[in-house]
Amino acid sequence: DAGVIQSPRHEVTEMGQEVTLRCKPISGHNSLFWYRQTMMRGLELLIYFNNNVPIDDSGMPEDRFSAKMPNASFSTLKIQPSEPRDSAVYFCASSAGIRLPGNTIYFGEGSWLTVV
Amino acid sequence: DQQVKQNSPSLSVQEGRISILNCDYTNSMFDYFLWYKKYPAEGPTFLISISSIKDKNEDGRFTVFLNKSAKHLSLHIVPSQPGDSAVYFCAAKDSGGGADGLTFGKGTHLIIQP
Repeated sequence: DAGVIQSPRHEVTEMGQEVTLRCKPISGHNSLFWYRQTMMRGLELLIYFNNNVPIDDSGMPEDRFSAKMPNASFSTLKIQPSEPRDSAVYFCASSAGIRLPGNTIYFGEGSWLTVV
Repeated sequence: DQQVKQNSPSLSVQEGRISILNCDYTNSMFDYFLWYKKYPAEGPTFLISISSIKDKNEDGRFTVFLNKSAKHLSLHIVPSQPGDSAVYFCAAKDSGGGADGLTFGKGTHLIIQP
């Protein structure tokens, strides 16, 4: 059974370029999350979707960041224009229903972004 | 403003001994707590959880203790094994409302020495 699938695994881009990260959640999961991991701030929740609808994007750092979920099996996180301080590991995660106490979040392997 | 705090960035423990990882939280609305384990170049994976109605949950070598009055939880690993070397994240959730998603600490890097 496939887990959360993210692409690309690694991305090196120049400052000012557009970056698009992709995610396929676990089939049947109706909640999807984008997290960012940095040394300074650990794992930060950027945005989450429930049934393809963005519920809370208060963690999105700036207008340069945007996320979409056009259907239940696909989501994108876009950074335009990218800056060196955006360098981090971006994790996508999904769950079957975050409001049920017993449900946990399943993470993808992450997209390692380096902006030079 | 960190609502979940892991004050030890790293911890070194000898193989066979007990590893104790600590976590403090500030949000009294949190009612469900989880520990995730992360190996390099992989995503975090769920390890163990505890509801606020309990003060202890055990799963094999892993036990999580919750002290609600102190807003503190800890993860005990006994005996520690080399494969336990990883970064451990404490996470918390308010199941009844508020923001969804998990709030994570910054992680503790556990190193098991042979």
